[in-house]
Amino acid sequence: GAGVSQSPSNKVTEKGKDVELRCDPISGHTALYWYRQSLGQGLEFLIYFQGNSAPDKSGLPSDRFSAERTGGSVSTLTIQRTQQEDSAVYLCASSSQGSPTGELFFGEGSRLTVL
Amino acid sequence: DAKTTQPNSMESNEEEPVHLPCNHSTISGTDYIHWYRQLPSQGPEYVIHGLTSNVNNRMASLAIAEDRKSSTLILHRATLRDAAVYYCILRGLNGGATNKLIFGTGTLLAVQP
Repeated sequence: GAGVSQSPSNKVTEKGKDVELRCDPISGHTALYWYRQSLGQGLEFLIYFQGNSAPDKSGLPSDRFSAERTGGSVSTLTIQRTQQEDSAVYLCASSSQGSPTGELFFGEGSRLTVL
Repeated sequence: DAKTTQPNSMESNEEEPVHLPCNHSTISGTDYIHWYRQLPSQGPEYVIHGLTSNVNNRMASLAIAEDRKSSTLILHRATLRDAAVYYCILRGLNGGATNKLIFGTGTLLAVQP
């Protein structure tokens, strides 16, 4: 597709289960970001991938969160042993370059609800 | 990361201009000023960015103070579709390593018909 695609759009899970959220960035974009947004809150940075460089994981809230980006394209955010406070919309964005002038294109997000 | 300060909320009337302020007194010389907006139930979308000079595009104008410690996003004629949260963000090179965007709480713009 032309834009950033995220799946699933909605995910309901039980506390303690693992979940995987997928992001398909715009083709050719080298930079990929994950954010999360809790209800009524701003965006919280999670992790940033740029080309083949080591990712910036400084925003991951705990070791239950991890992300990978295979082949420089698709990315998967994994949350292990989910907790209720993990409930949020998880947003992925990509950019054609990692420079300070690059525009970020966001997906529609994956809404995660942990019961 | 250099921080920005924005009013929590603003109101405007339809068809009138809107000036959304942003203070960034600790901006560094390599920081670009970016604006994004987030419509209800959508991901953020890019609006405009600049470094030193004022910028115009089809969506808005960005006026940057001479000392770069503040900027203003200008919507020339607000429409109901412009109701959104507007984020002012500084984006620069952090030691040459990364340039993640850090979103603040933004300004919630309400547009009255």
